[in-house]
Order: sequence, then C-alpha cells, then structure tokens
Amino acid sequence: LAKTTQPISMDSYEGQEVNITCSHNNIATNDYITWYQQFPSQGPRFIIQGYKTKVTNEVASLFIPADRKSSTLSLPRVSLSDTAVYYCLVGDKGNDMRFGAGTRLTVKP
Amino acid sequence: NAGVTQTPKFRILKIGQSMTLQCAQDMNHNYMYWYRQDPGMGLKLIYYSVGAGITDKGEVPNGYNVSRSTTEDFPLRLELAAPSQTSVYFCASSYLSDSRVGRDTQYFGPGTRLTVL
Repeated sequence: LAKTTQPISMDSYEGQEVNITCSHNNIATNDYITWYQQFPSQGPRFIIQGYKTKVTNEVASLFIPADRKSSTLSLPRVSLSDTAVYYCLVGDKGNDMRFGAGTRLTVKP
Repeated sequence: NAGVTQTPKFRILKIGQSMTLQCAQDMNHNYMYWYRQDPGMGLKLIYYSVGAGITDKGEVPNGYNVSRSTTEDFPLRLELAAPSQTSVYFCASSYLSDSRVGRDTQYFGPGTRLTVL
C-alpha cells in the first residue's frame, strides 16, 4: 500500500491559487493518484484523478512529475466555499487506498 | 439516480445492543465500501465488496459484519455495540473493470452518525 504525506493544514485568501502537494514515494506502477474533497458532515467527493503529467477539469488541476513520487493539486482562484479537507489517495483499487488525515484548507475573506 | 443512500442518518445505541446500517446504490457499481471516520481523522476502511456474494476485510473489521446478497445493497452489522464504535459511518461505491484498472472513483453516501452510550 502506497503511503501518502500531505500538509495538515493550509490557509489562503479568496481569489488566490492554492497548491497542495502530496508525497507518495512508494507508488506502484499500476497506481493512480486520486484527490477527494470533504466538507463538514458530508461524505468525501471526488475532485480529480491522474496517472502522469497534467490533468485538468472544471474544478482543479493535478500535476504529476515524471517520477510520480509526488503530486500537486491546484485550485485556481479559491472562494470561501472551497474551505474543506482535501485527501490524496494512491492505489489501483479502493481497498488498496488509504485516507490519511488530509489537508485542512481554510479560505479567508 | 439517487446515488448512494444510507439509513439511518443518526442513531444512539446502548452498550451491547446491535443494529444494521443500511447502504444502497443505484449506479450498478460492482465495488462497495464501508468506512468509519472519527472526529478530526481520516476515513478508515472497515469492509469492502467486489461484487454480490464477495466481501473482504479492510483495516478495522473487528466488531462488524457485512453481507452483499445483491449488487445494490451492502448492509453493515454491529453485533455488540461498544463506545469505541461511536463514529460517523460512510458507505461508498465504485465501478472497476479490466479497462479501468487503477481508476477507482468512489461515490460516497451522506453518512450515519452513531453514538454508543
């Protein structure tokens, strides 16, 4: 099982770009990198997933270097509603993935 | 589609009581999962299922049981409730196939908040 390390908390201001980096040194060949967002009293919600290079969707971008030992979730122009916990998971199946403590992002006005 | 539904939303149990947490999905997903989340912590996998009739243990299975008789339903059973089982329980589902190896994308239910006193 690939172990992930990400910052416990981050603060930002509305309108700024936020980058959250996740370290996963023992990622395996078949593993994908998946990020989830969780608001208080709700279940996690899928944000983005990638294998290598860059992936972009309407919500975020995911940057993965060639060695795949880390990844960076980029949230453009955050708003107060982006305040949440963000989890980085690595694995090829859900039962192989582990939710760590996540990164608690606080967006301030 | 309703997605993943869970019942009840809240429940208070006395020590030693038993109960079943219900989970259903209408997306024809083959994988289903049960997690628990303690305050300020990440989610821990209790049990999972890769299809009807097949279940397996996750990280923290002690004190729980599951069954998967249909694709849609994945109930979680607590036989002898203990205070340590006070937590929020989330059910999730995903679809995995040979062509989607590695690309597990889980859809979560709203959770059941359980208190054992």
